[in-house]
Amino acid sequence: GAGVSQSPSNKVTEKGKDVELRCDPISGHTALYWYRQSLGQGLEFLIYFQGNSAPDKSGLPSDRFSAERTGGSVSTLTIQRTQQEDSAVYLCASSLRVDNRQPQHFGDGTRLSIL
Amino acid sequence: GENVEQHPSTLSVQEGDSAVIKCTYSDSASNYFPWYKQELGKGPQLIIDIRSNVGEKKDQRIAVTLNKTAKHFSLHITETQPEDSAVYFCAASIVNNNDMRFGAGTRLTVKP
Repeated sequence: GAGVSQSPSNKVTEKGKDVELRCDPISGHTALYWYRQSLGQGLEFLIYFQGNSAPDKSGLPSDRFSAERTGGSVSTLTIQRTQQEDSAVYLCASSLRVDNRQPQHFGDGTRLSIL
Repeated sequence: GENVEQHPSTLSVQEGDSAVIKCTYSDSASNYFPWYKQELGKGPQLIIDIRSNVGEKKDQRIAVTLNKTAKHFSLHITETQPEDSAVYFCAASIVNNNDMRFGAGTRLTVKP
């Protein structure tokens, strides 16, 4: 079956521009996560959505970052007024349900480069 | 909150040798411990996981052990092959908490 799909796969933009990154989770997965992975680093948790509950935004690094999930499916991560330190791979993952012991399935990420 | 530490950061072995990667976690309430493999340009892929009611789990050449008392868990890869070369991440998930904390990763290189 289809896995987690992210688009675009690569994005290059100028400092100060806004960017939108898209994530299509696996069908039927109610939980969706966004992570940031800087070059050679581990995964930094950004935000978590579970069904219709309020998202856990505790990992967002600044108010320039926001995310939404429409209809409990597709999610968009928006970075406003991008800075060079925002350059990283942004990974999306989804899991089946609320149970925290469900494995997360990752997309291949969006590689964001801020010039 | 949970804190996961992973060692070593890099590991190089000869083809056919075994590789061991170790992780420790801080919150005794954690009860789910997955391992992910990330190849270049790809997202992390789940390779094996273990739950707190189990001490060891095997899947062909891969095994994971869990010591809840010591709060550490390990990944063991036997008979390594060049295609095992990748970055491996451990993670821990806390009961009734919906986020998962990842280790910093281990870059494994298997030399032919």
